[in-house]
Amino acid sequence: AQSVTQPDIHITVSEGASLELRCNYSYGATPYLFWYVQSPGQGLQLLLKYFSGDTLVQGIKGFEAEFKRSQSSFNLRKPSVHWSDAAEYFCAVVPGGTSYGKLTFGQGTILTVHP
Amino acid sequence: DGGITQSPKYLFRKEGQNVTLSCEQNLNHDAMYWYRQDPGQGLRLIYYSQIVNDFQKGDIAEGYSVSREKKESFPLTVTSAQKNPTAFYLCASSITWTASNTEAFFGQGTRLTVV
Repeated sequence: AQSVTQPDIHITVSEGASLELRCNYSYGATPYLFWYVQSPGQGLQLLLKYFSGDTLVQGIKGFEAEFKRSQSSFNLRKPSVHWSDAAEYFCAVVPGGTSYGKLTFGQGTILTVHP
Repeated sequence: DGGITQSPKYLFRKEGQNVTLSCEQNLNHDAMYWYRQDPGQGLRLIYYSQIVNDFQKGDIAEGYSVSREKKESFPLTVTSAQKNPTAFYLCASSITWTASNTEAFFGQGTRLTVV
């Protein structure tokens, strides 16, 4: 079955440390890939997206993600985390060639940042 | 400012009642979506609409109904048939169903609690 997996439910890092959030998918063809961020009680904001081309994608707030076809992964990274990055992060996919809004989401990773 | 407005932010429902969640967008988007969010489960698609006067069931449509009489509005009714309606509900929209280089924009959500 097609699915999106975020293996880490909760990650804690210190402010200024680097961050990597994992995302794996199981689709036959390369899907369109997204990372969203959600602050408590709020909607989702798009951080970045990958449709095609360069496999290293730059997003807002200093985030980047790398698409690795061989590993079916789209991991999110940030070199230096700020306290304001504490939130829940969702990886999402859309099967190639279909709607760009009919997203399938991973379970989410909650990020806690220690001062 | 363009965006998606969901109301109310908090909603309480008694057992056996139907309630309607409002979603309005002024982005001139054709496609609109309703997602349900439960802790640790990511977001799950309830209903989606590709264009006005059209809508389709998503992955968890049982106990819910929608209408799309106007392009800017996509209300969701949670009926008494929904056995576990307490959740956070998110409305989203995208430019079209199959546009390229687009993304889903989200509202701020409605938290529904059964009392």
